[in-house]
Amino acid sequence: SAVISQKPSRDICQRGTSLTIQCQVDSQVTMMFWYRQQPGQSLTLIATANQGSEATYESGFVIDKFPISRPNLTFSTLTVSNMSPEDSSIYLCSVQQGPYEQYFGPGTRLTVT
Amino acid sequence: DQQVKQNSPSLSVQEGRISILNCDYTNSMFDYFLWYKKYPAEGPTFLISISSIKDKNEDGRFTVFLNKSAKHLSLHIVPSQPGDSAVYFCAARVYNTDKLIFGTGTRLQVFP
Repeated sequence: SAVISQKPSRDICQRGTSLTIQCQVDSQVTMMFWYRQQPGQSLTLIATANQGSEATYESGFVIDKFPISRPNLTFSTLTVSNMSPEDSSIYLCSVQQGPYEQYFGPGTRLTVT
Repeated sequence: DQQVKQNSPSLSVQEGRISILNCDYTNSMFDYFLWYKKYPAEGPTFLISISSIKDKNEDGRFTVFLNKSAKHLSLHIVPSQPGDSAVYFCAARVYNTDKLIFGTGTRLQVFP
């Protein structure tokens, strides 16, 4: 399976600021996904990012709040904009390999104060 | 509405015994079901999956059972080992899409 890294691994940010999370894959992949895991909750899909096209956002998530870039087949970024304490979560990227399996990065633990 | 549910937040099992983790779903429009294991400070790791047209899939110590009429799946780990201690998530793929819906997880502790 692909090796996926994320930067930063964790951060503490002040409300009203923005944080960009990077996701790097060691092989070319078509589809990348961004998830959020709020404390004690399940993983929730934020958006799907395909190279060369606009990201597709799930219900409840908007581009102004979570802009995503996908400049090539091995890299993507997720920005959490104008943060509030409710944005404190683990943010994970994943890639699809095989017909349906997704493989995840280690996650970015974000705390907003 | 939570379409994929794991009603047991935690499970404690003795080493060598069987661990059974359960998952229920409410939507029939899922074509694959997956189990992931997550250690602290790591991302979820894919374990095993099952197609909705199957009722059992086995891989070493891990077996997943699917009961479509009950909309229920379970993961059996036998024998359980201390290294299996982790949070286990079940996930369901929405039919013919790339979207996975996850349960809330069950924390498994395997003690000596």
